[in-house]
Amino acid sequence: DGGITQSPKYLFRKEGQNVTLSCEQNLNHDAMYWYRQDPGQGLRLIYYSQIVNDFQKGDIAEGYSVSREKKESFPLTVTSAQKNPTAFYLCASSSGSSRGSFEQFFGPGTRLTVL
Amino acid sequence: LAKTTQPISMDSYEGQEVNITCSHNNIATNDYITWYQQFPSQGPRFIIQGYKTKVTNEVASLFIPADRKSSTLSLPRVSLSDTAVYYCLVGDMDLSGAGSYQLTFGKGTKLSVIP
Repeated sequence: DGGITQSPKYLFRKEGQNVTLSCEQNLNHDAMYWYRQDPGQGLRLIYYSQIVNDFQKGDIAEGYSVSREKKESFPLTVTSAQKNPTAFYLCASSSGSSRGSFEQFFGPGTRLTVL
Repeated sequence: LAKTTQPISMDSYEGQEVNITCSHNNIATNDYITWYQQFPSQGPRFIIQGYKTKVTNEVASLFIPADRKSSTLSLPRVSLSDTAVYYCLVGDMDLSGAGSYQLTFGKGTKLSVIP
């Protein structure tokens, strides 16, 4: 059963703590993405990765870090430097191989709450 | 980076056809137009994508005029389950080219289907 999984679904953390959100895909996609969504807002791009061991900053990368050591995995770390981390985080992937292949497949999301 | 403008919200009765228009006056030659659907607390789901003229699939049609400065998503005979936020995206997703991500989610159009 192919798709994208994110864990955990809900996450609580104390201020000043780093936390890592998991994202795994078994679609054999080259490209993976992390978005943040605040209530009533659209999605904003945090980081994206086109291939293993390579990633680029999106529009709101400050306070976040990522790694892409395996094709299937693209974990996101929310660091203590992120001033307002409470949000809904979405991971996505796409084939990223040819012009016009824009379909992104999204995971179920992780809702992070900072206490 | 092409910016899109959509109505913030729309209401429709069950069984009616719904047309959601998106303006993208600064669309570039290489840009494609993509629409996503998002239910609360879920990741967006790809609906349809096009470059010009008309595209139709099993769930929707996408109409793009010759100047490509706007596009219209058409949902035939909506049901209550079509109540969601619909995002229009314009961008060049050729990740093998310039290498810069050119895809932004706006706030979308909240469609409410009324019984």
